Amino acid sequence: NAGVTQTPKFRILKIGQSMTLQCAQDMNHNYMYWYRQDPGMGLKLIYYSVGAGITDKGEVPNGYNVSRSTTEDFPLRLELAAPSQTSVYFCASSYSRVGRRGSLPYEQYFGPGTRLTVT
Amino acid sequence: SQKIEQNSEALNIQEGKTATLTCNYTNYSPAYLQWYRQDPGRGPVFLLLIRENEKEKRKERLKVTFDTTLKQSLFHITASQPADSATYLCAPYSGGGADGLTFGKGTHLIIQP
Repeated sequence: NAGVTQTPKFRILKIGQSMTLQCAQDMNHNYMYWYRQDPGMGLKLIYYSVGAGITDKGEVPNGYNVSRSTTEDFPLRLELAAPSQTSVYFCASSYSRVGRRGSLPYEQYFGPGTRLTVT
Repeated sequence: SQKIEQNSEALNIQEGKTATLTCNYTNYSPAYLQWYRQDPGRGPVFLLLIRENEKEKRKERLKVTFDTTLKQSLFHITASQPADSATYLCAPYSGGGADGLTFGKGTHLIIQP
């Protein structure tokens, strides 16, 4: 199993450009996530998906879009890049279990990250 | 608002000793709490999960405790090794959907040989 893969590893964008960060997982996980991590800061959730065709906003969704047409893939689209989007982006996936509180996500598996610089 | 507190300063421990990291949370009623390890330039790696009805969980040299009354989790590494040096993140899950998982900023652990 490759686990969670992300491309590209690094990218430099000019202000106003657009790009798509790719994420794929081969573990048949239903949950997938996009986070950003700024230096010295914690992970902030951008968007997440609980299954193919279903996406929802996280804590910091502005300036980003996602789609989930298959279980395996969860691309993140940046439109009109801004310097504030300079960050390291991590994609993750997890399975879910049904417990006392309903269906809960467990054990996130993270990709290696994409380091994005917007100048 | 929900808040997670982890030691913001680096924790320096002598090799062979037990390292103890603290995670305090407020305004959460977590269904479970997870601990992750993150090395520089890499994605976090899952270590342990402890459920709300569990007091303690062990895995090899790792031990996690969970006190829902104190709203605190402690993460212990026994017989610490320089290879244990990393940043450790705690993540309580509050439920209510896949966005209920929030990560703390992490504690940077340094094991001195």
